[in-house]
Amino acid sequence: QKEVEQNSGPLSVPEGAIASLNCTYSDRGSQSFFWYRQYSGKSPELIMFIYSNGDKEDGRFTAQLNKASQYVSLLIRDSQPSDSATYLCAVYNPHSGGGADGLTFGKGTHLIIQP
Amino acid sequence: EADIYQTPRYLVIGTGKKITLECSQTMGHDKMYWYQQDPGMELHLIHYSYGVNSTEKGDLSSESTVSRIRTEHFPLTLESARPSHTSQYLCAALKGQGGYTFGSGTRLTVV
Repeated sequence: QKEVEQNSGPLSVPEGAIASLNCTYSDRGSQSFFWYRQYSGKSPELIMFIYSNGDKEDGRFTAQLNKASQYVSLLIRDSQPSDSATYLCAVYNPHSGGGADGLTFGKGTHLIIQP
Repeated sequence: EADIYQTPRYLVIGTGKKITLECSQTMGHDKMYWYQQDPGMELHLIHYSYGVNSTEKGDLSSESTVSRIRTEHFPLTLESARPSHTSQYLCAALKGQGGYTFGSGTRLTVV
């Protein structure tokens, strides 16, 4: 049973601070890692993906991956109220069978940026 | 630019009615998926397709059915809607390396 674990929150962060979102996964064969942002009542939107150990930066977002620890995180610098949303971690193993073509979603972390 | 188009965006329908939720895409993606999501809750995979004439049930048991006669279309049908079917239905396509693109979703209310 593949599992992707996230703290459901809510995680409350003051405006302008760094928001840190964490995710652990159980499938060691996972190769690709994704962060989706979902506003209330909307569909998920892909904001970051990472394949290799280390950091990947895109604007105010940084994804961090540590395959040895089976841990992926998302940092949001200079947090804005518009960053308030649920953040879904997703993990992809192209060699696993079953539904969703090997993509497993976490339950999401609800992030609140306080003005 | 949206790759995945879902209609209708909102639907309120009476119990016992047959409904079809439309999902279409213009990018030629082979792999498509239907998820069900209640407000504030996690995504549940209910159906997926790896291409024309390929359909499979997902992790969550659902009374809905799907078809994939053409690559572009992946409609979801409920033969007899019930209040328990009230939810948001999200269609997605795989763009490669596990990256999904989601449609805007259909929010279904069965009264």
